[in-house]
Amino acid sequence: DAKTTQPPSMDCAEGRAANLPCNHSTISGNEYVYWYRQIHSQGPQYIIHGLKNNETNEMASLIITEDRKSSTLILPHATLRDTAVYYCIVRVQGGSEKLVFGKGMKLTVNP
Amino acid sequence: EPEVTQTPSHQVTQMGQEVILRCVPISNHLYFYWYRQILGQKVEFLVSFYNNEISEKSEIFDDQFSVERPDGSNFTLKIRSTKLEDSAMYFCASSAQGSSYGYTFGSGTRLTVV
Repeated sequence: DAKTTQPPSMDCAEGRAANLPCNHSTISGNEYVYWYRQIHSQGPQYIIHGLKNNETNEMASLIITEDRKSSTLILPHATLRDTAVYYCIVRVQGGSEKLVFGKGMKLTVNP
Repeated sequence: EPEVTQTPSHQVTQMGQEVILRCVPISNHLYFYWYRQILGQKVEFLVSFYNNEISEKSEIFDDQFSVERPDGSNFTLKIRSTKLEDSAMYFCASSAQGSSYGYTFGSGTRLTVV
């Protein structure tokens, strides 16, 4: 699975959009981008995934660049409860069942 | 919203003792997983389980570990002879269609080996 790079931390004001970047320059054509988050030692929570088209669900939007070398997770109106470690994971769909978590990025939403 | 339930939330055991961590996955899910997270470290994959057998396991999942789905609802992780370094949060997860469509994780069991 391709490696991902995320900044170690980011701050965001409550109510504003949080744009969380992820670089995956070595991504291959059959690899998907997944986002999970972990709120204070709870179990990780699945957020969204995509291949090349932008995706949106009730939690977030995922914007993948045309060359697929980077992506941005957007939380449109961040709340204090969105404070968490966010993990960007690249993996082949239908391949190994395991998820490989990196260090992720700590998002702090400030009042 | 359906949840993955793990019990107990915290377990303290003496080194060398056997422990069983219990999980109730979401009822219509077919794929089951255990992960662990040592304090301050990354979340690590241990094992995946499908169709009543292990489908994949990591190097961490050695002979001291075993998993079982004894009754069609519970999914257990057994550590036969605990070591101090087994102290960690253990997360169970389940998925309806495999990891390609996202997992649902439980809230974890904190295992402390003393």
